[in-house]
Amino acid sequence: AQSVAQPEDQVNVAEGNPLTVKCTYSVSGNPYLFWYVQYPNRGLQFLLKYITGDNLVKGSYGFEAEFNKSQTSFHLKKPSALVSDSALYFCAVRAAGGTSYGKLTFGQGTILTVHP
Amino acid sequence: DSGVTQTPKHLITATGQRVTLRCSPRSGDLSVYWYQQSLDQGLQFLIQYYNGEERAKGNILERFSAQQFPDLHSELNLSSLELGDSALYFCASSVTSGRSTDTQYFGPGTRLTVL
Repeated sequence: AQSVAQPEDQVNVAEGNPLTVKCTYSVSGNPYLFWYVQYPNRGLQFLLKYITGDNLVKGSYGFEAEFNKSQTSFHLKKPSALVSDSALYFCAVRAAGGTSYGKLTFGQGTILTVHP
Repeated sequence: DSGVTQTPKHLITATGQRVTLRCSPRSGDLSVYWYQQSLDQGLQFLIQYYNGEERAKGNILERFSAQQFPDLHSELNLSSLELGDSALYFCASSVTSGRSTDTQYFGPGTRLTVL
């Protein structure tokens, strides 16, 4: 079985400061890891993914994520937060191979609030 | 805009009724996925279709069914609706069968309210 934990329900940060949204995962075999963002009354927007290779993945809107296999983590980061980054963020995992095909397992989500 | 379209945007119905949610994938995508987002369960995978065939099944209730048509659009049918079925239903699509590294792109969702 695969699972994702986002240990913080909410993250608050001041505009211009760095932000981190945490994610840990559990999966059999190699993981494919994703971050999505959801704005109010909108669908999920893809930010970035880790498949293999470089542990630091760069994505949309200045976001990046660091894959750490030993800690089974995939934290989302941004060097300088914007008020417009305020949204609900989801981490998701999919096992490479197996019979689950494209099934994504999502964390519970983290509400990011960036204060002016 | 992801290129995935879902209709209707909102649906209000009564308990015991049946509804159909529709999804059109991005051009060229062969896989369609359905997810349910609710406050208590979070985002849950329901079912996946690839090129018309069911490929993977999640925690989908027996009252729910789906299909993918030859033009690749998909429909999710929800019957004997209960209050607890009220949720946001998302459709996503990807290029291949899912046994790969491709990304799933999500539609805007259908908000179902069961009264």
